Amino acid sequence: AQSVAQPEDQVNVAEGNPLTVKCTYSVSGNPYLFWYVQYPNRGLQFLLKYITGDNLVKGSYGFEAEFNKSQTSFHLKKPSALVSDSALYFCAVRDTGGGNKLTFGTGTQLKVEL
Amino acid sequence: GAVVSQHPSRVICKSGTSVKIECRSLDFQATTMFWYRQFPKQSLMLMATSNEGSKATYEQGVEKDKFLINHASLTLSTLTVTSAHPEDSSFYICSAGTSGAYEQYFGPGTRLTVT
Repeated sequence: AQSVAQPEDQVNVAEGNPLTVKCTYSVSGNPYLFWYVQYPNRGLQFLLKYITGDNLVKGSYGFEAEFNKSQTSFHLKKPSALVSDSALYFCAVRDTGGGNKLTFGTGTQLKVEL
Repeated sequence: GAVVSQHPSRVICKSGTSVKIECRSLDFQATTMFWYRQFPKQSLMLMATSNEGSKATYEQGVEKDKFLINHASLTLSTLTVTSAHPEDSSFYICSAGTSGAYEQYFGPGTRLTVT
């Protein structure tokens, strides 16, 4: 069974500082990995994905994530945080072995303060 | 591109009544649609997966007779909560997938409140 862990319920960062939201995964085969963002009372917006190739993937709004197979991690990063980045972030994994179901982590609330 | 809509965005109904939620892919054909439920400050729980023209596949613990899913076309799926009870109050989110993409595209969600 596939699973995703987001160890931090909340991350606080000052505007202009770099941010990292952590994610580790477990799958039986090779993973497809995703990051989504959710604003209050809204659905999820796709940020970026790792399918294959370069371990560093760039996505929307200046976000990027690095796939690390040995550490089974896919941490989300941004060099300079904005107050408008404050939202709930979900990491998700899909097993390439079959099926198209996404398994989500529990989410990390990002708070960017002035 | 890849826009998914949901209707209604918010609904309040009385206990014992049924509520239908629509999910539409506006600019693409969705071969697969997914229905999730999200409790406050919690992750998304997959309820069921539906492919156009086929019966939905429900996750363990989800009552298929209570949560009726119809995927009548490549752009429309509906979730009907039958005989709703207050414990069914939640945020319901649909997503759609297409054969050419790895990611799912999510609708804006429907807030259901059962009184």
